[in-house]
Amino acid sequence: DTAVSQTPKYLVTQMGNDKSIKCEQNLGHDTMYWYKQDSKKFLKIMFSYNNKELIINETVPNRFSPKSPDKAHLNLHINSLELGDSAVYFCASSQISPTEAFFGQGTRLTVV
Amino acid sequence: DQQVKQNSPSLSVQEGRISILNCDYTNSMFDYFLWYKKYPAEGPTFLISISSIKDKNEDGRFTVFLNKSAKHLSLHIVPSQPGDSAVYFCAAATGTASKLTFGTGTRLQVTL
Repeated sequence: DTAVSQTPKYLVTQMGNDKSIKCEQNLGHDTMYWYKQDSKKFLKIMFSYNNKELIINETVPNRFSPKSPDKAHLNLHINSLELGDSAVYFCASSQISPTEAFFGQGTRLTVV
Repeated sequence: DQQVKQNSPSLSVQEGRISILNCDYTNSMFDYFLWYKKYPAEGPTFLISISSIKDKNEDGRFTVFLNKSAKHLSLHIVPSQPGDSAVYFCAAATGTASKLTFGTGTRLQVTL
């Protein structure tokens, strides 16, 4: 009964491919997020959705497109993958405030 | 422009002693602060938080101190245990923004 689960855990793909990472939370939270942890270990927010509506988009290239079919799911689609997209991507959820966000285990994306 | 800074990338402490992890911030709009703990290959897990109206919050072995005038907070772990060995992230939020701004983390090693 994992609270925030994301799949896959590891993803290796070639440059130029399109890939998706799925995220689901069973906590009943209203807000979901995608964070990116790069090679320097900076953990930065990419997107935030509240009840399926985009509320934060932190200057992420438009090759990245989040999709929220319902408030329990927030998937991340990445088109035309580049080497610089290699990172660990974390999904998270919280109640409407940003406090005490619960994180998934992360998806390590490697673009070769 | 890094608004939350953890200037010590690593810290080694003997078991039973106190661990003190520090965090500085530059954005005076931050009014809520959190500490997260992260084990390898896992997502960050919430540890403890503090609102800007307080200067101390305690939860078992963990205490967070906030010095608003210095824009500084610290996490004290006492006594330190080997299971505390992890990367600790400081994070900050404003009351109206639905996102966390993270520091770069401090790797704590508790030795026997």
